[in-house]
Amino acid sequence: DGGITQSPKYLFRKEGQNVTLSCEQNLNHDAMYWYRQDPGQGLRLIYYSQIVNDFQKGDIAEGYSVSREKKESFPLTVTSAQKNPTAFYLCASRPGTGDSGANVLTFGAGSRLTVL
Amino acid sequence: DAKTTQPPSMDCAEGRAANLPCNHSTISGNEYVYWYRQIHSQGPQYIIHGLKNNETNEMASLIITEDRKSSTLILPHATLRDTAVYYCIVRVASNTGKLIFGQGTTLQVKP
Repeated sequence: DGGITQSPKYLFRKEGQNVTLSCEQNLNHDAMYWYRQDPGQGLRLIYYSQIVNDFQKGDIAEGYSVSREKKESFPLTVTSAQKNPTAFYLCASRPGTGDSGANVLTFGAGSRLTVL
Repeated sequence: DAKTTQPPSMDCAEGRAANLPCNHSTISGNEYVYWYRQIHSQGPQYIIHGLKNNETNEMASLIITEDRKSSTLILPHATLRDTAVYYCIVRVASNTGKLIFGQGTTLQVKP
């Protein structure tokens, strides 16, 4: 079945450590996104990529980094510069960059990061 | 993107219709209304979207008022598995695909 796979599902990290969250999709989607969700809150956009080897900052990019070397992969690194990294991280993708209302997002199951 | 206003929580009896309102009074002519839902600790799931006309699919119906300033998502026969946070989002169908998620409405379906 086509979809988005995020790993790990749960991750614990010590303060000062970098951690990388994996996001892989087999939907042949061009665009990919990373969102952060805090308890009881909506989603906030961290980074997005519309094409391989290109990505843009979202609303809360500070302390995060991404890469898009392959169409199917969009890993997110949470660096030690991120002051409050404990959160639920969601990866999403959509088919392309066409100007169509039907171009909707498909989400992965999420990765829950806890900083100890 | 237009701002949306949703009630923070609603209850619905199992088997009854759930009607979730959304106010988007500042919507512009080229902005779509999207609905997603998020079951606890899972990724959001797309439900339906519309521009001007009412829409229906296998999951729900979307009713958009004639002036487009508000809309209602209808789950015709709610089940316990429909308990989730429902997000109403308004945006232009732009190249970036960015969606702004507010806090949504927590729908509790009760037996």
